[in-house]
Amino acid sequence: ILNVEQSPQSLHVQEGDSTNFTCSFPSSNFYALHWYRWETAKSPEALFVMTLNGDEKKKGRISATLNTKEGYSYLYIKGSQPEDSATYLCAFQETSGSRLTFGEGTQLTVNP
Amino acid sequence: NAGVTQTPKFRILKIGQSMTLQCAQDMNHNYMYWYRQDPGMGLKLIYYSVGAGITDKGEVPNGYNVSRSTTEDFPLRLELAAPSQTSVYFCASSLRSTGGYGYTFGSGTRLTVV
Repeated sequence: ILNVEQSPQSLHVQEGDSTNFTCSFPSSNFYALHWYRWETAKSPEALFVMTLNGDEKKKGRISATLNTKEGYSYLYIKGSQPEDSATYLCAFQETSGSRLTFGEGTQLTVNP
Repeated sequence: NAGVTQTPKFRILKIGQSMTLQCAQDMNHNYMYWYRQDPGMGLKLIYYSVGAGITDKGEVPNGYNVSRSTTEDFPLRLELAAPSQTSVYFCASSLRSTGGYGYTFGSGTRLTVV
């Protein structure tokens, strides 16, 4: 069983704050690291798929970095807005197959 | 483009009843997956399929069955519903495993077994 951990479990920030959270995963047999955004009562939506050590991806105010050697990825949100409130999931993809192993997510609440 | 369509959205079952959760995708994706999401537990893989006629077990397959007769459809069958199967079920698909393709998820089926 693969261990994918996310921290913190939940986070409350004020509108305008910048924030970040962590995903840690096995550093061996790495293929890809996925980030998903999951709003309440909706389905998860893919944010980033990262495959190379040192990868940095950006979409608007959200960015992510990847360190495959030490087994972690950071997701950053700059100038948080209430509409950023969601659960952010990371998922680890092994070399050996297509299945993703998901972390339990970080639940972000942005207060206006 | 509908993406991944799941039906029904909600269902209440009595213990011992059976039902099929439907999942269809129109993106010509080879890979399809069924996950369940329990509070505080994240997404757990039930079954997956890499193409028509091929299915395999995930982390939590007990109490479920699947089939993949076409590329588009991947139904999940509960034969004898138990309270432990109360959960939200998500179907997902991806184009292929290589190249780090992301998953497209359906909107989920909330199942309660009483």
